[in-house]
Amino acid sequence: SQTIHQWPATLVQPVGSPLSLECTVEGTSNPNLYWYRQAAGRGLQLLFYSVGIGQISSEVPQNLSASRPQDRQFILSSKKLLLSDSGFYLCAWSNTEAFFGQGTRLTVV
Amino acid sequence: GNSVTQMEGPVTLSEEAFLTINCTYTATGYPSLFWYVQYPGEGLQLLLKATKADDKGSNKGFEATYRKETTSFHLEKGSVQVSDSAVYFCALSDGGNTGKLIFGQGTTLQVKP
Repeated sequence: SQTIHQWPATLVQPVGSPLSLECTVEGTSNPNLYWYRQAAGRGLQLLFYSVGIGQISSEVPQNLSASRPQDRQFILSSKKLLLSDSGFYLCAWSNTEAFFGQGTRLTVV
Repeated sequence: GNSVTQMEGPVTLSEEAFLTINCTYTATGYPSLFWYVQYPGEGLQLLLKATKADDKGSNKGFEATYRKETTSFHLEKGSVQVSDSAVYFCALSDGGNTGKLIFGQGTTLQVKP
């Protein structure tokens, strides 16, 4: 069966520090991969999606970037975090429906 | 562009009450529609889905019918339990090969004993 792993579960980082969140998928090949952000009390915003290795599409201009170095690995990064980057980040993969990781609670202080 | 609108929460109900959470959408073509549930501190889980007009998705006592004429996908449950307390998201998939989901803002449900 397919599983999705996302880590870390929680993260507190100072403003200006770098960020790396990792997501891996097992049990499927060539999945579509996504990074969503959920700000407090708000819905989910699609940040990036990828339909293949090295293929990244950005949905909104922002301080973050994404990479897909392997078929089942999706990384969300930042060189310098801002306070506004705080939120709940969710990785997902899909074929006919989307499956989500457990999320990372990022607090930028 | 495509969008999803959900009724605002929070929704507070007593156990065994009837639940309706409204969801309407705007889309070109024929999107697939979904309800996801998020329990506190967790990721999202697919609750149910419908892929074409008049389809009814159902799971764990929840159901929703894809109504093309009213562009709606309202979530219902006949008798809620305390364990149903969560945030519920309506979403549509805009098709194509990307599988991107467009979410509503979420509706918080609190069920009291």
